Amino acid sequence: DSGVTQTPKHLITATGQRVTLRCSPRSGDLSVYWYQQSLDQGLQFLIQYYNGEERAKGNILERFSAQQFPDLHSELNLSSLELGDSALYFCASSPGTRVGETQYFGPGTRLLVL
Amino acid sequence: AQTVTQSQPEMSVQEAETVTLSCTYDTSESNYYLFWYKQPPSRQMILVIRQEAYKQQNATENRFSVNFQKAAKSFSLKISDSQLGDTAMYFCAYHSGGGADGLTFGKGTHLIIQP
Repeated sequence: DSGVTQTPKHLITATGQRVTLRCSPRSGDLSVYWYQQSLDQGLQFLIQYYNGEERAKGNILERFSAQQFPDLHSELNLSSLELGDSALYFCASSPGTRVGETQYFGPGTRLLVL
Repeated sequence: AQTVTQSQPEMSVQEAETVTLSCTYDTSESNYYLFWYKQPPSRQMILVIRQEAYKQQNATENRFSVNFQKAAKSFSLKISDSQLGDTAMYFCAYHSGGGADGLTFGKGTHLIIQP
């Protein structure tokens, strides 16, 4: 158990809908990262937040957004969902922003768009 | 942009054998970090080992060790005395020395340990 929690574990929805994925980092960690794992694209970095502020952006679509709240939990919002958004979405956390810090991954949320 | 290449989509070995998984990467940076993550059938991503590019010494963690060849941009993972529980997808990952970025992953190697 990494100490990172993600809810829900599974999500099934329809095209065009909007969903919110939730992540709670390890106790004491200030950085949260979101990743998408799909058969087509593999594991891709989406976005990083540090202590409530956006720190880095990866291959995140404009239909996707995220935020980190004062209690450090983070939410990833996916809107206007398409079939291709079906994937496993991971949240990871690390203590800060130092280079090479180990990122600890949550169990993931499996999203299926029908 | 950095790229990570794992050239072996799948490998299969007998229990107790030693196996080496390959990883190469492309970067123009001199300071960076490399990682191996394991993803068993549960889909949980588990850190196996971490290497700092400026350290000459290869990292080891129990039965897991790496062969880091900076000039060749190669970062292979050796698993000694392989066990059934080692069956998993293994991902090589790169973290930029600039820090402000996520991990860049390879496409993974599916390792199967046969009894």
